[in-house]
Amino acid sequence: DAKTTQPNSMESNEEEPVHLPCNHSTISGTDYIHWYRQLPSQGPEYVIHGLTSNVNNRMASLAIAEDRKSSTLILHRATLRDAAVYYCILRGYNNYGQNFVFGPGTRLSVLP
Amino acid sequence: DSGVTQTPKHLITATGQRVTLRCSPRSGDLSVYWYQQSLDQGLQFLIHYYNGEERAKGNILERFSAQQFPDLHSELNLSSLELGDSALYFCASSERDGMNTEAFFGQGTRLTVV
Repeated sequence: DAKTTQPNSMESNEEEPVHLPCNHSTISGTDYIHWYRQLPSQGPEYVIHGLTSNVNNRMASLAIAEDRKSSTLILHRATLRDAAVYYCILRGYNNYGQNFVFGPGTRLSVLP
Repeated sequence: DSGVTQTPKHLITATGQRVTLRCSPRSGDLSVYWYQQSLDQGLQFLIHYYNGEERAKGNILERFSAQQFPDLHSELNLSSLELGDSALYFCASSERDGMNTEAFFGQGTRLTVV
C-alpha cells in the first residue's frame, strides 16, 4: 500500500501561516492526496484533496510537488481552533481495498 | 453538522455482552466506512461498504461484524465484548467510492466495556 510520512508534531503561532509536510514517495499515478484533521473530541473532518495541481479552498491550500512524491498543506493564518491532528492520506484504485487508512498524523499546536 | 448520524452517542456495557452501533450516512451517500479509535491506537480502519456490498476489510476482529442495509444505513455489531474493545467508533460516508470525493464523519459512539 502507498504510505505517507508526516512529522509527529508541529507548533505554530496564532495568525501565522503553517506548512504541514507529507512525503509519499511510493504514490501511484492514480492516487489522490487527501488531508483530514481531527479536533479534540470530534470525528475527523475533511480539509482538502488533489491529484496533480495545487488546490485552494476556504480552509486551506494544498501544494503538490511536480513529481507528486510530496505535498504540503498550508493554513494561511493559524487560529487556536486549528489545533488538531492532521492526516495526509493517499486514496486510489491501486490500494482500493485499504484506501482510507489513517496514519498517526501530525499534531499541530497553535500558540497564542 | 456533517449529516452523518451515529447512535447511540454513549454506551456502557459489561464484558461478554453484544452491542450494535448504528450509522446513518448523508442522504445519497453510498459508501460507509467504520473506524475504531482507542487512546493508544489512533484511527483503525475496520470495514468499508458500498451500496450494500462489503468492499474492504481492515483490522476487524472476528467478533465484530457489519452490514449495510438497502436504505444505506449501516450497523456494526460487536460481540463477546472485552475491556480492550472500549473505544470511540466512528463511521464516515461519501457519495461514491471516495477517491475524488470528500468523506463526512459522524461524531462517534463512545463504547465503554466494564
